[in-house]
Formats: sequence, C-alpha cells, structure tokens
Amino acid sequence: AQSVAQPEDQVNVAEGNPLTVKCTYSVSGNPYLFWYVQYPNRGLQFLLKYITGDNLVKGSYGFEAEFNKSQTSFHLKKPSALVSDSALYFCAVRAHLTGGQNFVFGPGTRLSVLP
Amino acid sequence: GAVVSQHPSRVICKSGTSVKIECRSLDFQATTMFWYRQFPKKSLMLMATSNEGSKATYEQGVEKDKFLINHASLTLSTLTVTSAHPEDSSFYICSARADRGLYQETQYFGPGTRLLVL
Repeated sequence: AQSVAQPEDQVNVAEGNPLTVKCTYSVSGNPYLFWYVQYPNRGLQFLLKYITGDNLVKGSYGFEAEFNKSQTSFHLKKPSALVSDSALYFCAVRAHLTGGQNFVFGPGTRLSVLP
Repeated sequence: GAVVSQHPSRVICKSGTSVKIECRSLDFQATTMFWYRQFPKKSLMLMATSNEGSKATYEQGVEKDKFLINHASLTLSTLTVTSAHPEDSSFYICSARADRGLYQETQYFGPGTRLLVL
C-alpha cells in the first residue's frame, strides 16, 4: 500500500532563511512524487513533480525538491523564504503501475514564514 | 499551466435540499476527475474517482446515493450532494488528470467549494 508521511505539522522559518518541508513515502515500484501548496480557502496549486530523470526537480515560485530513492524522501526546499510562502503544503505519491493508481496525500505541513 | 474551475465557490443551503457542484477542466481534456472533501486543518479525503462516460468509483465509507457524481464529458464532472444535512458541510475540491499530452500524470485542482448546510 502507498503512504506518505510529513513528519512536521508545522514549520516556522524567518524570512530570507532557507526552508525545508519534509516528505517520506512508501510505495511499490517506482514512485511519481508531487508537491502542492494550499492557501486559505483555496484549492491545491501544483508546485512540482518527480517522474523520472534528474533527482533535483525545480518548480514554481523558486521551490525545488530532491528525490532520494535510498531514503525514500522527497523534501521540498527553497533557498530564501518569503512571507507569502506561508501556506499549507502537501506531498503526494502515485505508484507507477500499469493502470495507474490514485494519489495518496500526506497530512500536510503548515509553513509559517515570519517577517 | 492547466486550469480547473469549480462552481459555485460558496453555497449555503437548507437542510434537505440538493446541491450541485461543477468541475471543469478549461484547457485540457480530463480523462479522470477526482472529488475530495477536506475538513478544517486536515488533509484531503478522496471521495470518488470518475472516468468520462463511466460510473464513478467511490471510496469506502462514501455513500454513492448521497454523493452523485457524473462525468459527462472530458471537461466536466459534477458532484450532487442530495438531501444535504449539516454534517455534509465541508470544503469540496475537485481535481482533473489527463492520461496523455502535456498535462499527463499530474492532478490539477479546482479552487474548491465551501458548502454550508443550515
């Protein structure tokens, strides 16, 4: 069965500092990995994904994530946080199987960037 | 990027009435659409998956007679909450996925619909 863990409910970081939001996963076969961001009373916005290829994936708004197969992790990072990055972040995994499977979402991590 | 719209964004209704929520993929054909429910400060709960032209697949514990899903075309899916009750009040979010083309493999989400049943 697929599962996603986001070990931190809340991450606080000062504006201008680097940020990391952690994600680990469990899936049979090769994973498709995704990060989404949700602002209050909004749907989820797609940030980036890893399907295959380079382990470092660059996405929207200056975010990037690194796929680490040995650690089954896909941590989200940004070199310099902005107050406007404050939001709820979801990691998701989908198994790369014939016929496909639905996404499994992590519980979410609330990021607060302090001015 | 891919755009998914939802309508209405907010609805307030009386207990016992039915509410229809529309989800549209605006610039791609969505082979599969998903309906989620999100409780405050919680992750998304998948309610059902629908493929164009076929019956939706509901997750365990979701009443298919209460939450009617229709995926009539490759750009439109609807969720109807029948005989709504206060416990159905929630934030409903749809997403769409293409199985080919530029937007394949990724789910793109609508902005959500806030339902309040009085």
